Amino acid sequence: AQSVAQPEDQVNVAEGNPLTVKCTYSVSGNPYLFWYVQYPNRGLQFLLKYITGDNLVKGSYGFEAEFNKSQTSFHLKKPSALVSDSALYFCAVRNTGGFKTIFGAGTRLFVKA
Amino acid sequence: GAGVSQSPSNKVTEKGKDVELRCDPISGHTALYWYRQRLGQGLEFLIYFQGNSAPDKSGLPSDRFSAERTGESVSTLTIQRTQQEDSAVYLCASSASGVSMHEQYFGPGTRLTVT
Repeated sequence: AQSVAQPEDQVNVAEGNPLTVKCTYSVSGNPYLFWYVQYPNRGLQFLLKYITGDNLVKGSYGFEAEFNKSQTSFHLKKPSALVSDSALYFCAVRNTGGFKTIFGAGTRLFVKA
Repeated sequence: GAGVSQSPSNKVTEKGKDVELRCDPISGHTALYWYRQRLGQGLEFLIYFQGNSAPDKSGLPSDRFSAERTGESVSTLTIQRTQQEDSAVYLCASSASGVSMHEQYFGPGTRLTVT
């Protein structure tokens, strides 16, 4: 069965500092991995995905994520956080055999000015 | 272009009543998903439709829940005999075929409150 764990309910960083939001997954076979963001009073938005190829994938708003197969992780990173990055971030996984997508519980990111 | 739309945006219903939630996907998107998001929690997969294939209903929590989709267009999620634990935001998403098939575009959701 597929599962996603986001071990941190909340991450606090100062503006300008690097940020990391953690995600680990479990899936049979090769994974497709995703990050989505939910801004206050706005719908969920796609940020980035890993399908195949380079382990480091780049997405919207300067975010990137690194796929680590041995550690079954897909952590979201940004070199320099902005206050406007404050939002709820969801990691998601799907196996290559279907479309059913499992989302993590979400991590709330607070960026302090 | 137009995004995914859902209606109603809010629905308050009495326990035991049936409700119907509607989703209009992005035109041309072959896949459609329904999720439930309880307050302060993550997304819970309910069901997805892909083209003319049989839907994956593995996430529906009980037989009170059902969904239909007509071709590659509108979908309705029906909850019969609503219970208070059904209160949540119900999200719909759609995705295209081809290279963008993995990216889901979400609607604004329907907030369901069962009193």
